[in-house]
Parts: sequence; C-alpha cells; structure tokens
Amino acid sequence: DGGITQSPKYLFRKEGQNVTLSCEQNLNHDAMYWYRQDPGQGLRLIYYSQIVNDFQKGDIAEGYSVSREKKESFPLTVTSAQKNPTAFYLCASSIDDSEQFFGPGTRLTVL
Amino acid sequence: DAKTTQPTSMDCAEGRAANLPCNHSTISGNEYVYWYRQIHSQGPQYIIHGLKNNETNEMASLIITEDRKSSTLILPHATLRDTAVYYCIVSPHTGNQFYFGTGTSLTVIP
Repeated sequence: DGGITQSPKYLFRKEGQNVTLSCEQNLNHDAMYWYRQDPGQGLRLIYYSQIVNDFQKGDIAEGYSVSREKKESFPLTVTSAQKNPTAFYLCASSIDDSEQFFGPGTRLTVL
Repeated sequence: DAKTTQPTSMDCAEGRAANLPCNHSTISGNEYVYWYRQIHSQGPQYIIHGLKNNETNEMASLIITEDRKSSTLILPHATLRDTAVYYCIVSPHTGNQFYFGTGTSLTVIP
C-alpha cells in the first residue's frame, strides 16, 4: 500500500550470503509483520512486532532474524541458515493488530 | 493452520456479481472474518471485515450467516481488474495471527 515501502522489488543473492530486506512505513502503525509466500501458496508469518524493541516469532522463523529499533522500520535478514530462501517476501503493518496493510513485496532469488 | 475453507477457483462474467463463499465452522465468538485479495505479484489488499452483522463498503459486501459458520463476499459488478486471489481469514480483532490459506482464484471473463 502507499504508506509501506519495500525495496528493492527484485533481489538476487548467492547461496550462503546473508541478505537484508527493508520495510518502512509512514502510517504511524505500531505493529509490523513479515510474511513469506511461495508459488501457488498462501502467506506464512515469519516474524511480527507489536512495539519498538520487541518482536515475536511466527510460524516459520528459523533462518530469519529481525530488528525493530524504530517504529517506522522493520528489516528482515535472511540468513544462510534458511534452507530455501527463494520466495516472495511481504511486509505489513497495522495500527492496532486489526486489518493489516501490505507493502508491494520483494522477490528474493538465491542463485 | 488456516481456519477457513474456500473453493480453489471461480469464474465470473464481467458486469455480473461475484459471490465468493468461505466456510469457517470453528470460528470463535471473538473472531472477525476478514477478506483480502492479491493481484498477481502484488501485496494483498484489504477488502472488508465483519463480526456478525453484514457489512458493505465501496468495494464489496460481506454476508455472514447467523451461526457465523460461513460467509460470502460479494463483488456487485465484477470488472476485469477484480481478477485476483481472494483470501478469507478469521482472527481476533486484537490478535495478530492472520492465517492465509490458498484462497480462491477469481477470474473475471470479458
């Protein structure tokens, strides 16, 4: 959505390298989320954060790490421990844990 | 795990109403029904949500059965731009666990 930006839209990395995906929002939302989507599948929750300096694991957190040092930013690092990192990554935010607003996504390809 | 069941795919003629069903037989009393849609390679877009009353906004109408075990999203006059995957989600209004299943792939036919 207009208030959430993810960059870049496409990202290529070599196997074994860590990579950080950015997510920024100017909606003044407290909660932020990271999802992963594989072809033909629904979204799966990786991590979420309800407030600055706090975050929780979702259903598939292994191989990922996050930080929430600022309200506006929730970067996701895909580490070399993630076995199948190639996927479409979506960031979302919400004002009060209700409806979530999504960014345009980053398509990560690990070669 | 997703708590909803949706048909895998549906077709609708352009200009006609698209009725997308969703079963959520295990819904709890504090859980809302949310609908999102995702156009190919974009982020999901919020459409509408409701608890037990029917809801309508500029995009769609949401009809929830009296027992709340199923709902229908209605797009009153489907256009080609409504072709997308539609997700039905149940979640507490103050929760944060949105479980996206595989949704319904709606194709609007000219």
